[in-house]
Amino acid sequence: AQSVTQLGSHVSVSEGALVLLRCNYSSSVPPYLFWYVQYPNQGLQLLLKYTTGATLVKGINGFEAEFKKSETSFHLTKPSAHMSDAAEYFCAVSESTGRRALTFGSGTRLQVQP
Amino acid sequence: DAGITQSPRYKITETGRQVTLMCHQTWSHSYMFWYRQDLGHGLRLIYYSAAADITDKGEVPDGYVVSRSKTENFPLTLESATRSQTSVYFCASRPKLSEREPDTQYFGPGTRLTVL
Repeated sequence: AQSVTQLGSHVSVSEGALVLLRCNYSSSVPPYLFWYVQYPNQGLQLLLKYTTGATLVKGINGFEAEFKKSETSFHLTKPSAHMSDAAEYFCAVSESTGRRALTFGSGTRLQVQP
Repeated sequence: DAGITQSPRYKITETGRQVTLMCHQTWSHSYMFWYRQDLGHGLRLIYYSAAADITDKGEVPDGYVVSRSKTENFPLTLESATRSQTSVYFCASRPKLSEREPDTQYFGPGTRLTVL
């Protein structure tokens, strides 16, 4: 069974500050890891993903995440927050085989203060 | 390229009524999924389908029925709606393994369902 824990349901940062959203996972098989973003009243948009290869992955809008197997973590970062980054962020894990359905964390709402 | 669409976007119904949520994708993706989103739970898998006429239960299937007679459509039916089924429902699809980006799911805009 897989699970995802996102630490902090709400995170508030100032514009221009570092964004750090935490994600830890558990999986009995090598995982595929994802970060999705959801803007108000919209569906989920893929930010970035890790499947195989380089453990530091870059995504859209200046976000990146690093897969750390020893820490079972996949934290999302952005060096400088922008007002448009305000949204809800979901970390998800899937199996690398079979149906590959996603197991989501409970989400982190990011607020960006001017 | 319309991608993946859901209808209706908003629905209010009463306890005990049957309601069907529609999902349509234009990519001919093999896999399709239904998730529900509830505060504090993230998204949870209700049902998924690997191809036309192949469906299986996810994490929270009770009270829901799905069918998939055509690759592009994956309707979700609440046979007798309950208040606990008030939620936002998302449909998603992904390609099969032999295609490009087989691990990425693409989400529809969601249906907000209220059961009174």
